[in-house]
Amino acid sequence: GENVEQHPSTLSVQEGDSAVIKCTYSDSASNYFPWYKQELGKRPQLIIDIRSNVGEKKDQRIAVTLNKTAKHFSLHITETQPEDSAVYFCAAAPQGGSEKLVFGKGTKLTVNP
Amino acid sequence: NAGVTQTPKFQVLKTGQSMTLQCAQDMNHEYMSWYRQDPGMGLRLIHYSVGAGITDQGEVPNGYNVSRSTTEDFPLRLLSAAPSQTSVYFCASSPDGPNYGYTFGSGTRLTVV
Repeated sequence: GENVEQHPSTLSVQEGDSAVIKCTYSDSASNYFPWYKQELGKRPQLIIDIRSNVGEKKDQRIAVTLNKTAKHFSLHITETQPEDSAVYFCAAAPQGGSEKLVFGKGTKLTVNP
Repeated sequence: NAGVTQTPKFQVLKTGQSMTLQCAQDMNHEYMSWYRQDPGMGLRLIHYSVGAGITDQGEVPNGYNVSRSTTEDFPLRLLSAAPSQTSVYFCASSPDGPNYGYTFGSGTRLTVV
């Protein structure tokens, strides 16, 4: 089945710097790659997603890039703010047959003022 | 819309007890799923359902049962609670499968003593 690896497990940046979180997946049939943000004690919330027919997607300060050949995708946060501090999860969904979304283990991002 | 509603928010069980975690959504979503979240392990899929009357196992199904008699409800039953089932449980739904963004419930924090 699908396996998603996420790095780093923790990331600390200064306010205003950029943050990059990387994920790799194993199933070449995966075609949907969402990112979720989970603040302490809260539920995960979808912040951005990308499908396999697109290489990059942006939404204000966040962007996701996808390299299907290398089977990796990344989350980029620019001009980080303290409210960006949270745990971020990547995920991958294989198309057809397996109706499952597989998550990475998460990255704890801390933005220092 | 209330979105995805989970009850209870907190629960303490004794080893061997059984209980049901409730999940209800009012968005007419076909796809519903249960995840458990443990420190350093990310979100692991327990069971999922692609529609009323249809359920299937995820990554960690042992010790749990589900049923889906209506589109709205997807309860998770612990048959005989064990300390290893101490975790935070999240219910999630999407319009049509794992290839769409999930809406998560607020979670149930379960402790088995």
